[in-house]
Amino acid sequence: SQQGEEDPQALSIQEGENATMNCSYKTSINNLQWYRQNSGRGLVHLILIRSNEREKHSGRLRVTLDTSKKSSSLLITASRAADTASYFCATDYGGSQGNLIFGKGTKLSVKP
Amino acid sequence: DGGITQSPKYLFRKEGQNVTLSCEQNLNHDAMYWYRQDPGQGLRLIYYSQIVNDFQKGDIAEGYSVSREKKESFPLTVTSAQKNPTAFYLCASSITKYSNQPQHFGDGTRLSIL
Repeated sequence: SQQGEEDPQALSIQEGENATMNCSYKTSINNLQWYRQNSGRGLVHLILIRSNEREKHSGRLRVTLDTSKKSSSLLITASRAADTASYFCATDYGGSQGNLIFGKGTKLSVKP
Repeated sequence: DGGITQSPKYLFRKEGQNVTLSCEQNLNHDAMYWYRQDPGQGLRLIYYSQIVNDFQKGDIAEGYSVSREKKESFPLTVTSAQKNPTAFYLCASSITKYSNQPQHFGDGTRLSIL
């Protein structure tokens, strides 16, 4: 059962450009999280945004949440080659505030 | 340094064989999870445990089994009943079972069929 879906599936940009990834989900949520996965490694937590929040920042990362559109976006500013990775959104099902459901991810490639 | 350790990094399974993947955490987290990741796919939940001596089936539990005898350890056994076991297996933990907590992941075990 898939709750979140990222868009685009793949994104290729030059170093220094901004990268925007989107996540859409189907049911109401309590929390939405973004994770990064480098090739062959585990996931690393980036940001958690609660349903009553609209925007959060962490360093070069900016996450927005629009609960009326059931969507979130992750913006990485001034991308670096080291940002090359897959990015996943994960949501709960609003009623349970329990397990996370992960999307299929956006594969970001940042060319030096 | 606190974290999650998965071993082995690579594992090969013969036909009809059960294999066990290890997951250990020293973060003092109550909740632990096993996920399966297939190429180009997201993570699918196999089993989770919210507390010692208790665990629940996730979305794709058939052909897998787990135990949670210690807080630190949550091993996953891939049984011979799992007909398509080739995948990347990820273990994670969080402070509590609730989705307002981040999950911390190990670096995975890649399982292949011989």
